[in-house]
Amino acid sequence: GNSVTQMEGPVTLSEEAFLTINCTYTATGYPSLFWYVQYPGEGLQLLLKATKADDKGSNKGFEATYRKETTSFHLEKGSVQVSDSAVYFCALSVGAGGSYIPTFGRGTSLIVHP
Amino acid sequence: EAQVTQNPRYLITVTGKKLTVTCSQNMNHEYMSWYRQDPGLGLRQIYYSMNVEVTDKGDVPEGYKVSRKEKRNFPLILESPSPNQTSLYFCASSSQGYSGRGETQYFGPGTRLLVL
Repeated sequence: GNSVTQMEGPVTLSEEAFLTINCTYTATGYPSLFWYVQYPGEGLQLLLKATKADDKGSNKGFEATYRKETTSFHLEKGSVQVSDSAVYFCALSVGAGGSYIPTFGRGTSLIVHP
Repeated sequence: EAQVTQNPRYLITVTGKKLTVTCSQNMNHEYMSWYRQDPGLGLRQIYYSMNVEVTDKGDVPEGYKVSRKEKRNFPLILESPSPNQTSLYFCASSSQGYSGRGETQYFGPGTRLLVL
């Protein structure tokens, strides 16, 4: 089956620190990869995505590169802000029989201190 | 504005009292699904629907029912709620890409349910 594994949190950083949240996956087929973010009290929203190997998704200073050889999609940001405090979910979707199946990781909580 | 709406946002009920959480999307999406989010367990899929009148079980369907009579609506029904169904529930929708690639899910704001 399909699965997504993320590093456990919480990840606690000071403002302007470098962020990495690791994500690896297993999938039957060729998945698309996503990072979603959940701010306190809100639903999940798409942060970035990549649909094929070596693609780099980017948004709001966050980046992730689709690494097929290592089945990874690690999230990075060069300088985090307090407003980045949220829960981050790695996810994949893969086609099966004419539709697609989404799979989510357990989420990683990020806390950024001033 | 493209959105997924859920109602109610907060609900306190008692064991055994039937309830329905509504979900509606205005993006003409074929695919809709329900998730529950619990501390330490992340997001788990309850049911999903690939189109009108087509529904299927996700990872944790026990104790829940759904229906998809119209494309825009996908209500979640708890016929006899129990305390272990206390959770944060999210509805989501997306276009159904037959290539299976790059379909972004759009989430509702969540419904926080407490079953006493």
